[in-house]
Formats: sequence, structure tokens, C-alpha cells
Amino acid sequence: NAGVMQNPRHLVRRRGQEARLRCSPMKGHSHVYWYRQLPEEGLKFMVYLQKENIIDESGMPKERFSAEFPKEGPSILRIQQVVRGDSAAYFCASSGTEGLNTEAFFGQGTRLTVV
Amino acid sequence: RKEVEQDPGPFNVPEGATVAFNCTYSNSASQSFFWYRQDCRKEPKLLMSVYSSGNEDGRFTAQLNRASQYISLLIRDSKLSDSATYLCVVNKDTGNQFYFGTGTSLTVIP
Repeated sequence: NAGVMQNPRHLVRRRGQEARLRCSPMKGHSHVYWYRQLPEEGLKFMVYLQKENIIDESGMPKERFSAEFPKEGPSILRIQQVVRGDSAAYFCASSGTEGLNTEAFFGQGTRLTVV
Repeated sequence: RKEVEQDPGPFNVPEGATVAFNCTYSNSASQSFFWYRQDCRKEPKLLMSVYSSGNEDGRFTAQLNRASQYISLLIRDSKLSDSATYLCVVNKDTGNQFYFGTGTSLTVIP
């Protein structure tokens, strides 16, 4: 049973380009979360999705950032017109059905560098 | 107020020492609690869930105090390999929304 798969592991973009980060949850998991971690800082929640639905996007910047989790395929975090401040590690996590003590499992992250 | 707050440390302790971390959470309706460990430049990994009655896993003991809304992690007989950042995680309420603390940094010194 493969874990949470994120790709690419490393992504370099020039300012103004678009970045697409992909996340395939663990088999059987229908809840996906995206977090951003700036250097030397903690994990910051961005968005929580279930299949085809955004449940909570309170942590998403209002502009340039979007996320989706289609019926088929991986979840995508899309950053348009990237700026240097977007450089960070982006982690995806997934969890199974709701319930007590349902933990989240993390992917290895995508390290975005904007040059 | 942040949903989850932790002392960022750093905690620098000698091998063999006992060290304790605390974490407070703001939502009294939260139902699930966890401690995760994150090594430098790696993804967070589940260390242990925290149950109402408290639970122990080898050298690690987790406690939950609902009345005061805090969670603790105790590490006994610290090893060099325990050096990492420890993240307190609380779910929003009965759902699947997880909130992470900013983490407490631990360095175990030879």
C-alpha cells in the first residue's frame, strides 16, 4: 500500500510562472490536506478537500492559489504568477473516513524554489 | 488566539535526560489529539495518538487534560536519535480538519 505520493519533489520556477503540485493520497483515503512550511517555520494549513469538494480553504491566500481534488486523479495545488515569497515546502496529507483518532499521513513534500 | 500553541524551544538536553513538552488548544470541542515528529527537511510522521486515559509507547508517554485543554509528551532516557521537531496536532472538532502547532525543537546532546 503506497503512501501519500507527491510530485515533483523539487520544483524551480521563475517569477511569474505557474507551479503545479500534485498529491495522490493513500489508497482508500478521500480526505486531502495541503500545508505550507516556510524555512525555519511551522506547518501552516492551507486547504482541506474531499473528492470534488473544498471543505475548508481558510488558509489559502486569496489570490493566485487554488486547489482541486477531482473525482479521478491526484489533488492539485496550483500557484499562478509565482513570487519569491512562495518558495517553501508544500506538504500534502491524507486521511481516511471521519472518526476519532483518524490520523493524517504525509507525503514527502514538494520543495518549490522561485528564482 | 491560535488553535494550537506550543513552546518552540529549543530544548537542548543531555543523553539520558527526561524532557516534557506541553501544548494547549483552543477548541474545547476537539476530539482527537496526536504528536507528530518532523526531522529536518522531512515530512511529519505520526509519533503517537493521545487518548483520554493517557498512553505510553516505550520511552514516550502522552497525556491529555481536557479541563485545561492541554496535551503533554514526556520522553524518558533521551537518545541522540530523538533530536527532531515535535508537533502537537488537534482536530477541529468531530471532523477531519487537523491543526498543527508550530513545533517544539529538541536536540539531544552527547
